[in-house]
Amino acid sequence: DTGVSQNPRHKITKRGQNVTFRCDPISEHNRLYWYRQTLGQGPEFLTYFQNEAQLEKSRLLSDRFSAERPKGSFSTLEIQRTEQGDSAMYLCASSSTRTRGTEAFFGQGTRLTVV
Amino acid sequence: GEDVEQSLFLSVREGDSSVINCTYTDSSSTYLYWYKQEPGAGLQLLTYIFSNMDMKQDQRLTVLLNKKDKHLSLRIADTQTGDSAIYFCAESRSYIPTFGRGTSLIVHP
Repeated sequence: DTGVSQNPRHKITKRGQNVTFRCDPISEHNRLYWYRQTLGQGPEFLTYFQNEAQLEKSRLLSDRFSAERPKGSFSTLEIQRTEQGDSAMYLCASSSTRTRGTEAFFGQGTRLTVV
Repeated sequence: GEDVEQSLFLSVREGDSSVINCTYTDSSSTYLYWYKQEPGAGLQLLTYIFSNMDMKQDQRLTVLLNKKDKHLSLRIADTQTGDSAIYFCAESRSYIPTFGRGTSLIVHP
């Protein structure tokens, strides 16, 4: 298993454009998380899925943000009408309810720059 | 205030031990985690401890948990320059890891 994979690694977009990021979790991990990280801060929780069900969303997740995990495997995070304040590293993580520590494993992240 | 608090910086000499401290607020957290982040990279899981344990050792890493004080620490023995990174403490609330701001560990010769 190659771990959690995120694409693209970097994205530069103009303000007002829509962007979509993809996350492929570790095989057989049924939980998938999205976080956002800005400079000097820890990861901030955005949303998480168990299988295909989106179980929790942070109040940080405005109406412009939407996440899907249609078949319970990969997930996408879309940001509509991007703003400069959306510039951040977007991190995806996955975990399994079948492992004792339920520890989350992270991908390398997608760095978004809105210009 | 922050739910998970850590000091922002720690500077140590190569070969010494490093101790990174963390306090958390949710007494119902089942697991507590330590992650390492190098510049421009994602988070690497280092170790975790179950809330009914008070110590866990894994090679150069020792985790101590004081559940009464909601205090967690990570000790790195024989710190090397390759250990320079940001270290994050996280508590697990309803299966969602919640992170502190991270402690930047600087190792100098």
